[in-house]
Amino acid sequence: EAGVAQSPRYKIIEKRQSVAFWCNPISGHATLYWYQQILGQGPKLLIQFQNNGVVDDSQLPKDRFSAERLKGVDSTLKIQPAKLEDSAVYLCASSLRTRGDEQFFGPGTRLTVL
Amino acid sequence: GDSVTQMEGPVTLSEEAFLTINCTYTATGYPSLFWYVQYPGEGLQLLLKATKADDKGSNKGFEATYRKETTSFHLEKGSVQVSDSAVYFCALHHNTDKLIFGTGTRLQVFP
Repeated sequence: EAGVAQSPRYKIIEKRQSVAFWCNPISGHATLYWYQQILGQGPKLLIQFQNNGVVDDSQLPKDRFSAERLKGVDSTLKIQPAKLEDSAVYLCASSLRTRGDEQFFGPGTRLTVL
Repeated sequence: GDSVTQMEGPVTLSEEAFLTINCTYTATGYPSLFWYVQYPGEGLQLLLKATKADDKGSNKGFEATYRKETTSFHLEKGSVQVSDSAVYFCALHHNTDKLIFGTGTRLQVFP
């Protein structure tokens, strides 16, 4: 069974530029999560989708971050414009449904903002 | 709000040594508790979990017991291997599916 796929694996941009990350969850998984992992910290949930609807985006900085999950499968996370403090690893995870199902994580995208 | 605190690393051990990584949590009620592992260049993987007090999660020789009285979920292994070198994250979720993670503990095992 293929795992969670993410691309790109690495991205370097300058501040005020925009960037987008892509995630393909495990086939059949209804729930998709985006986490931000800043160096030296644990991952922090940015947004959670159930199919193509948003369940929780309370910690998403909506002035610069946006995310969508069209057709309830793939998802993209966008930052526009990027700030230095957005440098982090962005992790995508998926689970079969919700309520205690194991979350499977992708390898992450490491973003460096200069 | 809910939070997880785990010991700072790195933890440096020789092969076959005993491992303990401490984890304590703050949450109302009865959260589910998890240990995730992140090997170099890979994504987070669930190592073990416990969903109620006194439950013991175990996998690959690692184990952790959910202690409600001390709000702890310490990770232990009797004999570590070089291949166990990784970053270990303690986490909880409580009433939602949002995982709340600790800051991670890097384990380095030398032959």
